[in-house]
Amino acid sequence: DGGITQSPKYLFRKEGQNVTLSCEQNLNHDAMYWYRQDPGQGLRLIYYSQIVNDFQKGDIAEGYSVSREKKESFPLTVTSAQKNPTAFYLCASSTPTGVNTGELFFGEGSRLTVL
Amino acid sequence: EDKVVQSPLSLVVHEGDTVTLNCSYEVTNFRSLLWYKQEKKAPTFLFMLTSSGIEKKSGRLSSILDKKELFSILNITATQTGDSAVYLCALPRSDKLIFGTGTRLQVFP
Repeated sequence: DGGITQSPKYLFRKEGQNVTLSCEQNLNHDAMYWYRQDPGQGLRLIYYSQIVNDFQKGDIAEGYSVSREKKESFPLTVTSAQKNPTAFYLCASSTPTGVNTGELFFGEGSRLTVL
Repeated sequence: EDKVVQSPLSLVVHEGDTVTLNCSYEVTNFRSLLWYKQEKKAPTFLFMLTSSGIEKKSGRLSSILDKKELFSILNITATQTGDSAVYLCALPRSDKLIFGTGTRLQVFP
């Protein structure tokens, strides 16, 4: 089945540890995105990538890093510099024009809790 | 600066009630306005609006856009408990989507 797979679904970490969230898609989409969602809030864009080996910062990139070495993969690392990392993280992918028509495919999310 | 604001932030109703959710926006180079429903995890697409005054309808849900006053509304009639979710409004900005704050709707029997 085509889709986006995020892992792990739930993750607990101690303060000060780096954490990497996985996002894999088999939709052959060029564009991939990482969003963060806090309770009672909408989605805020962390990083996005339109093509392999290239990515751009979103609105809240501080304390995060990404890579795009393969078209199907866009892992997100939450570093110790992120002051409040506990949140729900959503990965999405689309065709280059998919954002205009709402054709954004989301993964099931990863819930990170920092103790 | 581009922004998308939704209201109310939270809404609690009983089954059978009708609700209206609001999304106001300021964005350069408007292309479309999108509505999503998020029940537990991944948001699912509801509507895409591009023209003022043309209602989009799907069952008990409908939505309309006003490009002069820069807002959209999402109506849900005869609400059911299955409508309980966060409803998100989003607009394309360059090559990405910016989302509003969301409205959390809770429908009680």
